[in-house]
Amino acid sequence: NAGVTQTPKFRILKIGQSMTLQCAQDMNHNYMYWYRQDPGMGLKLIYYSVGAGITDKGEVPNGYNVSRSTTEDFPLRLELAAPSQTSVYFCASKTGAKYEQYFGPGTRLTVT
Amino acid sequence: TQLLEQSPQFLSIQEGENLTVYCNSSSVFSSLQWYRQEPGEGPVLLVTVVTGGEVKKLKRLTFQFGDARKDSSLHITAAQPGDTGLYLCAGPKTNDYKLSFGAGTTVTVRA
Repeated sequence: NAGVTQTPKFRILKIGQSMTLQCAQDMNHNYMYWYRQDPGMGLKLIYYSVGAGITDKGEVPNGYNVSRSTTEDFPLRLELAAPSQTSVYFCASKTGAKYEQYFGPGTRLTVT
Repeated sequence: TQLLEQSPQFLSIQEGENLTVYCNSSSVFSSLQWYRQEPGEGPVLLVTVVTGGEVKKLKRLTFQFGDARKDSSLHITAAQPGDTGLYLCAGPKTNDYKLSFGAGTTVTVRA
């Protein structure tokens, strides 16, 4: 199993541009999450999904959108990128039975 | 305001020394998890503690869950450079499928 994969690894965007961060998992996990990590701030939940077709907002959803058309994929869309969205983004997944979340390697995004 | 407060924020020690990292909250948690994150990678789960007063050992790492289930600690004995990383504690919010994370403790072990 590849686990949780994320693409791209790095990206630089100009203010106002848009992009999609890709996330896929091959563990047949129902629950998937998007976090952003800023220095000294831990992980903040952006959006999450409890299954295909079901998504909900986390703590910091403004400026982002998600979709979950399949169990495997959970892309995160940034519209009109702003410097405040400069961060490292992590995708994670889990089964319904356990607490443990499995994380991808992250995408480092810079908006200038 | 963080639901889970971790201390210290940074810790730098010499190889062979011991260290303790703390995770505290005013809220009761049904469980707490500890993750380690290495530079350029995502967090990886080390342990989950579930019962108040529980102590779990993972080689040189000892994890303790407070009796009141509001706090936890991670103790590393004879630290090695491979223990270097960001240590995060996390606990489930009202619904188990969402976690609240502490801000983390950055541990550096010098050879």
